[in-house]
Amino acid sequence: NAGVTQTPKFQVLKTGQSMTLQCAQDMNHNSMYWYRQDPGMGLRLIYYSASEGTTDKGEVPNGYNVSRLNKREFSLRLESAAPSQTSVYFCASSDLTGAVDEQFFGPGTRLTVL
Amino acid sequence: AQSVTQLGSHVSVSEGALVLLRCNYSSSVPPYLFWYVQYPNQGLQLLLKYTTGATLVKGINGFEAEFKKSETSFHLTKPSAHMSDAAEYFCAVSGNTGFQKLVFGTGTRLLVSP
Repeated sequence: NAGVTQTPKFQVLKTGQSMTLQCAQDMNHNSMYWYRQDPGMGLRLIYYSASEGTTDKGEVPNGYNVSRLNKREFSLRLESAAPSQTSVYFCASSDLTGAVDEQFFGPGTRLTVL
Repeated sequence: AQSVTQLGSHVSVSEGALVLLRCNYSSSVPPYLFWYVQYPNQGLQLLLKYTTGATLVKGINGFEAEFKKSETSFHLTKPSAHMSDAAEYFCAVSGNTGFQKLVFGTGTRLLVSP
């Protein structure tokens, strides 16, 4: 099993450009998440999808949109990138059938917005 | 609502010395608590978790943590540090019923010197 995969690994954008970060998991998990990681701030939740067909805002959703394409895939879109969105983005998934919400993380996408 | 405070953004130890990383939580409901580790340029990996039952929890790579409700703490320890333990460590908390989101601390970078 590959676990959680993310593409691309690195991306450089100019201010105002758009892009989509892709995430897929092969563990048949119900829930998927997008986080951003910034120095000294830990991980902050952008959006999550508790189950296929649902999405909800997290702590820092402004400037982002998401799509839960199917049970495996959860994409994050930046419509008009800003320098404040320079960050490392992590996708995660978890299985709600268990009692504990243990999350499994992808390797991350390093995004720089100039 | 839940929150986590990690004391010390950096902790330095010598190889073979005791590792102690501090985590205090705030939760309006009985919490689930987690420690994740992030090695350079990688995603997060679960070290250990507390749900219910035994308050001393053992994880991978010789780490353990003790849940102390009276002190609202969940400190991470390892008796003898190894060079390979150098990484960033995140404490996280969630609620214990229904769908729950993880709330992460800001992280502690562990530096291990020879």
